[in-house]
Amino acid sequence: EAGVTQFPSHSVIEKGQTVTLRCDPISGHDNLYWYRRVMGKEIKFLLHFVKESKQDESGMPNNRFLAERTGGTYSTLKVQPAELEDSGVYFCASSQKGQGARGYTFGSGTRLTVV
Amino acid sequence: AQSVTQLGSHVSVSEGALVLLRCNYSSSVPPYLFWYVQYPNQGLQLLLKYTTGATLVKGINGFEAEFKKSETSFHLTKPSAHMSDAAEYFCAVRYNTGTASKLTFGTGTRLQVTL
Repeated sequence: EAGVTQFPSHSVIEKGQTVTLRCDPISGHDNLYWYRRVMGKEIKFLLHFVKESKQDESGMPNNRFLAERTGGTYSTLKVQPAELEDSGVYFCASSQKGQGARGYTFGSGTRLTVV
Repeated sequence: AQSVTQLGSHVSVSEGALVLLRCNYSSSVPPYLFWYVQYPNQGLQLLLKYTTGATLVKGINGFEAEFKKSETSFHLTKPSAHMSDAAEYFCAVRYNTGTASKLTFGTGTRLQVTL
């Protein structure tokens, strides 16, 4: 079984530019989550999809962040325009229906550096 | 507010020595508790989890953790450290509330193993 795939693995962009991160969950996993870790701090929840619907987006920092999950398959997280404080590692996780946090599988993360 | 505290951002042990990584949580409701490990350039991997039942939980790679409700702790231990254990370790909690699907993480502990 393929795991959770994230790309790019690294991205360096200038302040003010746009970046789109992608996450491909494990096939058949209804739940998809985004988390972020800024340097030296804890990993923080951003949002949760159930299929194509946003179940909980309470962790999204501001309206420069837009997440989508087309057709309930892969998800994208767009940052526009990027700011310096958006630098960090963005993790995606997926789990089966009914598993929630008990059954997370995480991807390797995307390291975003805004300069 | 719900929180997870990991004492010590860096821990260094000698190969063969006991590993003890501390985790305390704040909760007024029964939590689910997790330890994740991140090896260099890899994603978060589940080491072990406590949901219900036996409070001593065994995980992969010889790690175990004990849930102590009276101390609100879930410390991670391994009797004998190996060089391959060098990684960053994260404690996380899922609270049985309306936020059942998301995890609250600690800030992480980087484990160094020396010869």
